[in-house]
Amino acid sequence: DAGVIQSPRHEVTEMGQEVTLRCKPISGHDYLFWYRQTMMRGLELLIYFNNNVPIDDSGMPEDRFSAKMPNASFSTLKIQPSEPRDSAVYFCASSFSAGGNTDTQYFGPGTRLTVL
Amino acid sequence: RKEVEQDPGPFNVPEGATVAFNCTYSNSASQSFFWYRQDCRKEPKLLMSVYSSGNEDGRFTAQLNRASQYISLLIRDSKLSDSATYLCVVNHRGGGADGLTFGKGTHLIIQP
Repeated sequence: DAGVIQSPRHEVTEMGQEVTLRCKPISGHDYLFWYRQTMMRGLELLIYFNNNVPIDDSGMPEDRFSAKMPNASFSTLKIQPSEPRDSAVYFCASSFSAGGNTDTQYFGPGTRLTVL
Repeated sequence: RKEVEQDPGPFNVPEGATVAFNCTYSNSASQSFFWYRQDCRKEPKLLMSVYSSGNEDGRFTAQLNRASQYISLLIRDSKLSDSATYLCVVNHRGGGADGLTFGKGTHLIIQP
């Protein structure tokens, strides 16, 4: 089975531009998480969804960031306008709440974002 | 106080040696604990869960000390392929994947 799929894998953009990151969770998973990872801050939870509904967005740094999950198989994280301090690796992860291993999150390969 | 704290390292260890590192957590109500492994420029992946009685998976042993609020990971007979960053993960809620807090990780380098 395919794991969590993210696109693009790398994104280089200029300050002020809009950036859209995409994620396809593992089929059947009902939780989806967006994380940002930097050397300084480590892995930070930005927002997560349960059954396509945003549950906790307290980690979203500011209004420039927004996330959507229009259906169970797709989510986007948008940054507009982007700033150099947004440069990081953005991970999407999914999980399944029923059955065993409910604590396990499965991560996608990440999107490495560089804002010049 | 940070929720999950780890020594960032790096730990430089010769191949074949035993290495151990700890992680402390601040929420005494935390219910479940894990170690994730992250290779360079890759995503984190679950290495093993940490059970109250301690558990072993091959060369890896994980232990939990609730009284002192720390968990540990011990790697025996270390291999070059063990070089990675090890993330301590704590679930501060009763269960479910929405309560995970990740530490910043401990960087391990196994030297030939």
